[in-house]
Amino acid sequence: QVQLQESGPGLVKPSETLSLTCTVSGGSISSYYWSWIRQSPGRGLEWLGYMYYSGSTNYNPSLKSRVIISVDTSKNQFSLHLRSVTAADTAVYYCAREGVPNEYFDYWGQGTLVTVSS
Amino acid sequence: DIQMTQSPSSLSASVGDRVTITCRASQSISSYLNWYQQKPGKAPKVLIYAASSLQSGVPSRFSGSGSGTVFTLTIRSLQPEDFATYYCQHSYNTPYTFGRGTKLEIK
Repeated sequence: QVQLQESGPGLVKPSETLSLTCTVSGGSISSYYWSWIRQSPGRGLEWLGYMYYSGSTNYNPSLKSRVIISVDTSKNQFSLHLRSVTAADTAVYYCAREGVPNEYFDYWGQGTLVTVSS
Repeated sequence: DIQMTQSPSSLSASVGDRVTITCRASQSISSYLNWYQQKPGKAPKVLIYAASSLQSGVPSRFSGSGSGTVFTLTIRSLQPEDFATYYCQHSYNTPYTFGRGTKLEIK
C-alpha cells in the first residue's frame, strides 16, 4: 500500500522560504507524477505543481517563480520550496501522486499545516 | 485558468436520500473531471475519475456523468459515512483547478 507523509516546519516567518518533504513508502517514486496541493479557507484547494521522477516539472503560474519542486529518488522523497512567503501562504499542504498527467490524484499524504507568521 | 463552479455549496439530506451535485467548467474539458470526498482533518479521496469511472474500492452508490462543461456526481441511497465535503477537479490541462466544494450535511 502506497503511503505519503509530509514533513517540515509548521511555522515560517514572512519573506522566508517554506520547505516541505514528502516521503513515499510502499512503492517507488519512479514512473509517477508527484504533486503539491494546498488548502486554505480563502483559496480552497490549489494545485501548486508537479514533478516527474526524472526531474521535469510543471508549476502553477499563479505562484510565478516562487516555487521549486525537487526529487531525491535515492530516498524516495520529493520536496517543495516556496520562497518569499506571506500570510496568504498559510495553508494545509498535501503531497499527492498522479499516475500520468491529466489523470487524477490517487494517493495523498495526510497534510501538514504551515502557518506564516512572525 | 479553467474555473470550476460547484452547486450547491451546501446540501442537507437524510440517510437513504439520493443527492446530486453539479460542477460546471468555464470551458470544455472533455471528460477530464474528477470527484473527491473529504472528511474533516483528512485528505481528499478520489471517488470518480474521467467523469464517470468509479475508483476501485468506492461503493457503487456513487456515480458520475457529464462531458464538456457540465458534470454531476450522484449518491444513491445516502449512508451515514457519506456526510462530507465533495470537490470536483479538472485535469484537462495545467494548472489543475478545483471547485469550492459542496458540504453534505445530515438533515
